[in-house]
Amino acid sequence: DVKVTQSSRYLVKRTGEKVFLECVQDMDHENMFWYRQDPGLGLRLIYFSYDVKMKEKGDIPEGYSVSREKKERFSLILESASTNQTSMYLCASSFERVMYDEQFFGPGTRLTVL
Amino acid sequence: AQKVTQAQTEISVVEKEDVTLDCVYETRDTTYYLFWYKQPPSGELVFLIRRNSFDEQNEISGRYSWNFQKSTSSFNFTITASQVVDSAVYFCARPQAQTGANNLFFGTGTRLTVIP
Repeated sequence: DVKVTQSSRYLVKRTGEKVFLECVQDMDHENMFWYRQDPGLGLRLIYFSYDVKMKEKGDIPEGYSVSREKKERFSLILESASTNQTSMYLCASSFERVMYDEQFFGPGTRLTVL
Repeated sequence: AQKVTQAQTEISVVEKEDVTLDCVYETRDTTYYLFWYKQPPSGELVFLIRRNSFDEQNEISGRYSWNFQKSTSSFNFTITASQVVDSAVYFCARPQAQTGANNLFFGTGTRLTVIP
């Protein structure tokens, strides 16, 4: 079974802190994704990566950056956390760069910024 | 982005009732895919089904069935004889691009509550 793990289920940070959210997948998937989920808005894509050291902006990249130094690991970075970044963050991965490939999701990190 | 719309925000049904979750999509493409995912209370989205635009046959998997109608741009999901374990948020989604990584555009989700 594909396993996507995220470093924390719950995280509480203060405004202005630098925050790292880590995601690891164990099935040699090419693609990795970061979404945020907010009530009434569904899932929105922040960034994705289709290869090591490659990244592409999603629909809402402002205030975020990412890092993919190894194929299995995709990190989301909040350079200076703000209260409007309080949200559920979901990481996903998929095997191929084709539009029909399903994504596998991690359990999510619920981030609260005070 | 070519969007998907889930107009039903929340639905409650009594156990054993049938329930249909609606999904309407936009498309300018002749070839496209649509997905349904389930998010149980644990939080992890689980893939349910993928359909392509060339196959309009209804799909049935146990108590789950999907009705894909290109004429109305809909891809609706029906649960027959609902059970408490079906309580979850359900998302309809479609790829944003024709090529490349399959970054998905998700609908806003429908929260289904099955009352025992």
